[in-house]
Amino acid sequence: KAGVTQTPRYLIKTRGQQVTLSCSPISGHRSVSWYQQTPGQGLQFLFEYFSETQRNKGNFPGRFSGRQFSNSRSEMNVSTLELGDSALYLCASSSQGTPSTGELFFGEGSRLTVL
Amino acid sequence: QQQVKQSPQSLIVQKGGISIINCAYENTAFDYFPWYQQFPGKGPALLIAIRPDVSEKKEGRFTISFNKSAKQFSLHIMDSQPGDSATYFCAASSSGSARQLTFGSGTQLTVLP
Repeated sequence: KAGVTQTPRYLIKTRGQQVTLSCSPISGHRSVSWYQQTPGQGLQFLFEYFSETQRNKGNFPGRFSGRQFSNSRSEMNVSTLELGDSALYLCASSSQGTPSTGELFFGEGSRLTVL
Repeated sequence: QQQVKQSPQSLIVQKGGISIINCAYENTAFDYFPWYQQFPGKGPALLIAIRPDVSEKKEGRFTISFNKSAKQFSLHIMDSQPGDSATYFCAASSSGSARQLTFGSGTQLTVLP
């Protein structure tokens, strides 16, 4: 079974630009979560999607948005990029339909550098 | 109240030794406590997890000890191996938002051969 696939793996943008990151979950997984990982703030939850609906949202500004498609693939978008948005963006999928159990399978991430 | 505090920040252990990483939480609504292992260039991978109805869970060389009254939990790696060298993260979440993990700051473990 293929793991969580994230594209692109690396990208460089400049301040003010926007970026879209893509995530393909493990086949059969309907929940997709996004996390930001930085040396200073560690791993922080961005949002979770299940069946094309955002189920939970972390404490990030509205510049960070996401969506999920009917095939469970997900995208996240960051608009008006700031230097502080430089981070590893991790996508995680889960097979559980209910929110109450939590094993997450992470992809290898998309490393975003904002210049 | 959402914070999970993890210590130490880094840990060096000899091969065959015991590695111990500690975490403390504040939110009493947390009821799921996983540990994740991350190698450079890779995403975190679930190592072992515990719920507060048990005080200890063991899987191979990895054991979680959980103290509900103290709101603390720890990871013990027995017979540590150089291949265990990685960054370890504790995390916590509550029912109803289990994918919204609150992570500790991570422990960089180095196991010397």
